[in-house]
Amino acid sequence: DTAVSQTPKYLVTQMGNDKSIKCEQNLGHDTMYWYKQDSKKFLKIMFSYNNKELIINETVPNRFSPKSPDKAHLNLHINSLELGDSAVYFCASSQGTTLAKNIQYFGAGTRLSVL
Amino acid sequence: LAKTTQPISMDSYEGQEVNITCSHNNIATNDYITWYQQFPSQGPRFIIQGYKTKVTNEVASLFIPADRKSSTLSLPRVSLSDTAVYYCLVGDMGFSARQLTFGSGTQLTVLP
Repeated sequence: DTAVSQTPKYLVTQMGNDKSIKCEQNLGHDTMYWYKQDSKKFLKIMFSYNNKELIINETVPNRFSPKSPDKAHLNLHINSLELGDSAVYFCASSQGTTLAKNIQYFGAGTRLSVL
Repeated sequence: LAKTTQPISMDSYEGQEVNITCSHNNIATNDYITWYQQFPSQGPRFIIQGYKTKVTNEVASLFIPADRKSSTLSLPRVSLSDTAVYYCLVGDMGFSARQLTFGSGTQLTVLP
């Protein structure tokens, strides 16, 4: 069983469209994350939820809206897609937020290409 | 902010020991050091975490000098499958975006 799964794996879309990426974890973790990785492999935190509550919201355009319907799911909706949104988006989860519990488990990533 | 600096890339040959050093000159007293490994087309994977001196697990060793301003990830007898990007993170026992800054990592290429 895949611990952290994201769908879709690839997403190709036109500028201006709205799209969603889904993430699910079956590890029983309390904390989930969204990261963006650019072409230079720079991996940057976007959002983090703990027990369905938003705890980290980095400087991200408000076109990006995370939603956590329950602890096992964290979805990312992106409105009005722009060329600069092209990247690989990773979902991750951890047991919690304290040091002993914040080792993260990552999904395989969603490669978004905006044309 | 405990900024980290790593080499952009390193090459090695199969069977050699590889040491990747991470500089973190303004590491705080409560900060821990964590390393992740990322293979192509996969998400990062936790390797090892430490606070001081030496930590060893089945995958790697982590050496941290007394001043803790740097740390060295040591991979014994690498194989081709160790080709990956290695990230060094520094963070405290709290929780903030600061300790989730992965940076660009070190691309390790293992040659036959």
